[in-house]
Amino acid sequence: DAKTTQPTSMDCAEGRAANLPCNHSTISGNEYVYWYRQIHSQGPQYIIHGLKNNETNEMASLIITEDRKSSTLILPHATLRDTAVYYCIVHSANQAGTALIFGKGTTLSVSS
Amino acid sequence: NAGVTQTPKFRILKIGQSMTLQCAQDMNHNYMYWYRQDPGMGLKLIYYSVGAGITDKGEVPNGYNVSRSTTEDFPLRLELAAPSQTSVYFCASSQGQVRYGYTFGSGTRLTVV
Repeated sequence: DAKTTQPTSMDCAEGRAANLPCNHSTISGNEYVYWYRQIHSQGPQYIIHGLKNNETNEMASLIITEDRKSSTLILPHATLRDTAVYYCIVHSANQAGTALIFGKGTTLSVSS
Repeated sequence: NAGVTQTPKFRILKIGQSMTLQCAQDMNHNYMYWYRQDPGMGLKLIYYSVGAGITDKGEVPNGYNVSRSTTEDFPLRLELAAPSQTSVYFCASSQGQVRYGYTFGSGTRLTVV
């Protein structure tokens, strides 16, 4: 059963911020939110993760709502190379020995 | 630093043939995973391992077998290949701690005819 809900596709103009939403209304207290992306035909790439605080790294920012039922991945200045499928995943840090479960993700198309 | 290496990159099998997909990592990661990805779909977990000598089934294990005799290697065996196993196979590894993500290989594209 999918633990997250993401839009099937989104468009973004090059140079603008891309805001990718994710709903995870059944998230439990010990579950993290992870974001990965998959550029065409390549293996998925880790982007960022968070528990309840907002997080930022060199690739993106992750905004998690106070009730933790949804989050937004922000690519501040999207480029054509950011065109990819973006996966939002929830996973418990206590589930030692289990693996990330990927859904269908959001296909982000960045155009010039 | 090679990361996760998968071989071969492409393979065509006839129905009923067998083969082994190789996966090796040089990061001393304890955790390793095999996923398959059908066209237009997300990744499905086949098998995973939390360390040498320990393996467990994922969502779609039927038709596959794995072994983990060393920390570095995690081969995936297909016995009696079927057209339904046509897919792209990805191997991944991780340190098993939350703050580290998975590192994926570049995939093996398998066609069963």
